[in-house]
Amino acid sequence: DAGVIQSPRHEVTEMGQEVTLRCKPISGHNSLFWYRQTMMRGLELLIYFNNNVPIDDSGMPEDRFSAKMPNASFSTLKIQPSEPRDSAVYFCASTRTGSLSGANVLTFGAGSRLTVL
Amino acid sequence: AQSVTQLGSHVSVSEGALVLLRCNYSSSVPPYLFWYVQYPNQGLQLLLKYTTGATLVKGINGFEAEFKKSETSFHLTKPSAHMSDAAEYFCAVSDPRGSARQLTFGSGTQLTVLP
Repeated sequence: DAGVIQSPRHEVTEMGQEVTLRCKPISGHNSLFWYRQTMMRGLELLIYFNNNVPIDDSGMPEDRFSAKMPNASFSTLKIQPSEPRDSAVYFCASTRTGSLSGANVLTFGAGSRLTVL
Repeated sequence: AQSVTQLGSHVSVSEGALVLLRCNYSSSVPPYLFWYVQYPNQGLQLLLKYTTGATLVKGINGFEAEFKKSETSFHLTKPSAHMSDAAEYFCAVSDPRGSARQLTFGSGTQLTVLP
């Protein structure tokens, strides 16, 4: 298995531009999570999906952020318009819920480092 | 609600010395507990987990952690540090009853291994 695949690995953009981050979870995993990591705030859960349905988006900072999961193998996190304070590393993670042996073991992607100038 | 406190945002040890990274949790129910490691420019990787049963849990790379309910702790240890252990370590807790079982992470501890 190739693991959780995120793209792009690095993105540099200017304030006001739209940014789209992509994630392919591990095949067979039915829960997907988007996290943001910054020095100041650490790891923050933005949103998670279960069976492609958004369950909790209370961590999404504001309306500029949106996330979709059109099918079990793809998710996007979009920021429009982007601002310098959105600069962070964004991680996608997936897991298979409903399995005791799996017990919440998240598999993380390598992250997308976003810099907004 | 659950929370995790990692004592010490930075820990330095000499190569060959004992590694002790501290984690205390708060949970209203018996929790699931995890340690993850993050190497530079990489995502988080699972080191070890505690769900039920034996309270001393062994993980990868010689790490282990002990669940102590009376102390609400889940400290991570390794008898002898190696240079390759330098990384950031995250403790995490989850509620087994949660429908999607999302994790609550601590703020992380950066481990430096000195030659």
